[in-house]
Amino acid sequence: DTGVSQDPRHKITKRGQNVTFRCDPISEHNRLYWYRQTLGQGPEFLTYFQNEAQLEKSRLLSDRFSAERPKGSFSTLEIQRTEQGDSAMYLCASSLDPVNEQFFGPGTRLTVL
Amino acid sequence: ELKVEQNPLFLSMQEGKNYTIYCNYSTTSDRLYWYRQDPGKSLESLFVLLSNGAVKQEGRLMASLDTKARLSTLHITAAVHDLSATYFCAGTQGGSEKLVFGKGTKLTVNP
Repeated sequence: DTGVSQDPRHKITKRGQNVTFRCDPISEHNRLYWYRQTLGQGPEFLTYFQNEAQLEKSRLLSDRFSAERPKGSFSTLEIQRTEQGDSAMYLCASSLDPVNEQFFGPGTRLTVL
Repeated sequence: ELKVEQNPLFLSMQEGKNYTIYCNYSTTSDRLYWYRQDPGKSLESLFVLLSNGAVKQEGRLMASLDTKARLSTLHITAAVHDLSATYFCAGTQGGSEKLVFGKGTKLTVNP
């Protein structure tokens, strides 16, 4: 069990650029979640997948955000035309079923200059 | 919509003392979770509470759930410095799998 991994761990970009993050869940987990955490706050839900199906999206996920999980394994989160307000830690989590805990990855820290 | 409130938000305590962190939620929550986060790190799962009256213990931490009061507590017994971290509670609602987190309680245990 290698845990949830995320890449990159840090990303610095200029406003207006596009960025893409990758998440690899624990191998047997069919559920994958994306959250965003800003300093001093708890994580906020963005979206989740069961296998390759995106089942729920937060209102926080504006049109500039898109997430995919094409083969039901890894997932990508893309932010287009980044804004300074997008600066945050982006966390990915996975779980085996809806009841038990979600296991979180180390996160990708995004800084938009 | 589910709202989760924790208190206190900041807690400074001495080693060896006991204390309780409270987690109130606004509407019926299907499940209640506790996580720990160390500075600059991700979240580590501590407890999952699935039903009214559930109590779980791990080392110096004990979590409980009272669904009628919409309250979960995380009790710390004889605190040690290694417990210094931020503790989050999170709930789910209405069959959704998304976790709704509180703002966290930053715990500092002083020697």
